[in-house]
Amino acid sequence: DVKVTQSSRYLVKRTGEKVFLECVQDMDHENMFWYRQDPGLGLRLIYFSYDVKMKEKGDIPEGYSVSREKKERFSLILESASTNQTSMYLCASSFRGLDTEAFFGQGTRLTVV
Amino acid sequence: KQEVTQIPAALSVPEGENLVLNCSFTDSAIYNLQWFRQDPGKGLTSLLLIQSSQREQTSGRLNASLDKSSGRSTLYIAASQPGDSATYLCAQTGGLGDKIIFGKGTRLHILP
Repeated sequence: DVKVTQSSRYLVKRTGEKVFLECVQDMDHENMFWYRQDPGLGLRLIYFSYDVKMKEKGDIPEGYSVSREKKERFSLILESASTNQTSMYLCASSFRGLDTEAFFGQGTRLTVV
Repeated sequence: KQEVTQIPAALSVPEGENLVLNCSFTDSAIYNLQWFRQDPGKGLTSLLLIQSSQREQTSGRLNASLDKSSGRSTLYIAASQPGDSATYLCAQTGGLGDKIIFGKGTRLHILP
């Protein structure tokens, strides 16, 4: 079974803190994704990585950065957390190519107070 | 801009009924269409993937079809059960620079 594992299910952080969300996959997938999910807005892509050290901005990259130093790990960084970053964060991975399937982690519910 | 639309946003049906969830997309060059289930506060679970060369996939009581010419996919759930209550999302995967484009989902409630 493919496993995409996010480091935390729930996090509570203070405004201004630097926050790291970690995601690890065990299927040697080239692609990894970070989404946030908010009621009424659906899933919005924050960043996408298609290889080690490679990244592309998604639809809402402002206030976020990412790191991919190893193929299996993709980190989302909130440089200075703000209350409007309170959300559900979802990590996904997939192989590159046309006939590929995406797999998701269990999600991290982040609350910034 | 490619878009994926799911209507209705919410649906309630009595237990035991067969039902169809709809997904439409604007990109006729779609590669794959993937259906997910999401329980409240949880991540997404992949249900079915219809690859570019296929027209439908089946898993248990679930059947998903893909019609590229009309820009539509449907997820058919037979003999619905309360445990089927969840949000169902469809997404284009593959191609498109490998990005995934989601619909906003249909929140399904099966009435006991």
